[in-house]
Amino acid sequence: NAGVTQTPKFRVLKTGQSMTLLCAQDMNHEYMYWYRQDPGMGLRLIHYSVGEGTTAKGEVPDGYNVSRLKKQNFLLGLESAAPSQTSVYFCASSYHRERGYGYTFGSGTRLTVV
Amino acid sequence: AQSVTQPDIHITVSEGASLELRCNYSYGATPYLFWYVQSPGQGLQLLLKYFSGDTLVQGIKGFEAEFKRSQSSFNLRKPSVHWSDAAEYFCAVAPIKAAGNKLTFGGGTRVLVKP
Repeated sequence: NAGVTQTPKFRVLKTGQSMTLLCAQDMNHEYMYWYRQDPGMGLRLIHYSVGEGTTAKGEVPDGYNVSRLKKQNFLLGLESAAPSQTSVYFCASSYHRERGYGYTFGSGTRLTVV
Repeated sequence: AQSVTQPDIHITVSEGASLELRCNYSYGATPYLFWYVQSPGQGLQLLLKYFSGDTLVQGIKGFEAEFKRSQSSFNLRKPSVHWSDAAEYFCAVAPIKAAGNKLTFGGGTRVLVKP
């Protein structure tokens, strides 16, 4: 009964370092998403995927890359971290809209870039 | 441009009092509408959603929301607030034919509950 699991939960990076955030879902959802949350700005979509092997850009994709090699996993990569990428990152997954738009969110990853 | 606005950044309410959170959207056609709640350090939980039909929607935890097409609004209400309702609330929209079920979120309203 895990739902959406994000790892790690916290991370501190130095400017220029790279890292990968992992999202795993066990609900057989077709769609997966990465959002970032910043104070006063709500959640903004970084990238999303409508199925295994497919990805697409969202509202704020610059500086991030993603991959979805398996249906249950969605990886978010930062190749060269910048202080502007300090944020809380949320992964989410959902069914296709004909099945009710059931978004499920992970508990977030708090990333600090110094 | 398409947008979602939550005019109130913070709201303080006394326990037992009523609560109303505002949400306005700007889209070419009526989108799907959602309210989410985020407790401190947690992910987002769906409170309710509106796709079509009755404009008064009931959700979990005693919340309801009313869709008003003429005002492009989807305001969230609760008749009597409990201390556990202290959280941040997000309105979200999705165009009916949005590729990939993408949601656009408002900036959020943080609710503080006074004893």
